[in-house]
Amino acid sequence: DTEVTQTPKHLVMGMTNKKSLKCEQHMGHRAMYWYKQKAKKPPELMFVYSYEKLSINESVPSRFSPECPNSSLLNLHLHALQPEDSALYLCASSQGLPRWADTQYFGPGTRLTVL
Amino acid sequence: ELKVEQNPLFLSMQEGKNYTIYCNYSTTSDRLYWYRQDPGKSLESLFVLLSNGAVKQEGRLMASLDTKARLSTLHITAAVHDLSATYFCAVDGTKETSGSRLTFGEGTQLTVNP
Repeated sequence: DTEVTQTPKHLVMGMTNKKSLKCEQHMGHRAMYWYKQKAKKPPELMFVYSYEKLSINESVPSRFSPECPNSSLLNLHLHALQPEDSALYLCASSQGLPRWADTQYFGPGTRLTVL
Repeated sequence: ELKVEQNPLFLSMQEGKNYTIYCNYSTTSDRLYWYRQDPGKSLESLFVLLSNGAVKQEGRLMASLDTKARLSTLHITAAVHDLSATYFCAVDGTKETSGSRLTFGEGTQLTVNP
């Protein structure tokens, strides 16, 4: 099973709201990722968690706050977003180690609209 | 900074024809990936290329890697309509952590016409 699930599928929020995106995998993967994808553009890496620790933060604004409660779950907490943050947010996971086997599997994404 | 360039960005081809998508990258890397994305959908892993000279084939798609030239190709043979999608190459730019740090090319939007 190479499934990564994400909830919700769609989210509309105001600039003063607080919301969270959720991602789950049961493949035993130890690396999890958040990407942002604007329309007709490639995914852009936001965060990488490796063995439940944040290993990469690609200079993402603090209004995005990741959390990895356990090895199967990854959250992205959203607060005081801007309309330009509207995008498809993709979660991915990979084995982590060994690196030669490290294919990332992507979830279906959450389409976020900020009003 | 790792840069990944794909060309062409748009490709319209007829069913039954062959074509190649090119992916160039700017710094040394030992892993290159090809993904497919259908409109409004997520990314599907197609190939992982791990070494110089690696060649992988699945159906009408064949991918190859030349690490010396920093070039990967995705060759489409006898295209069919179902292959219409956006194809991304992605290069892993990290060596020191577990997991992978992918930089994606801009994508090639492929349309196969009857």
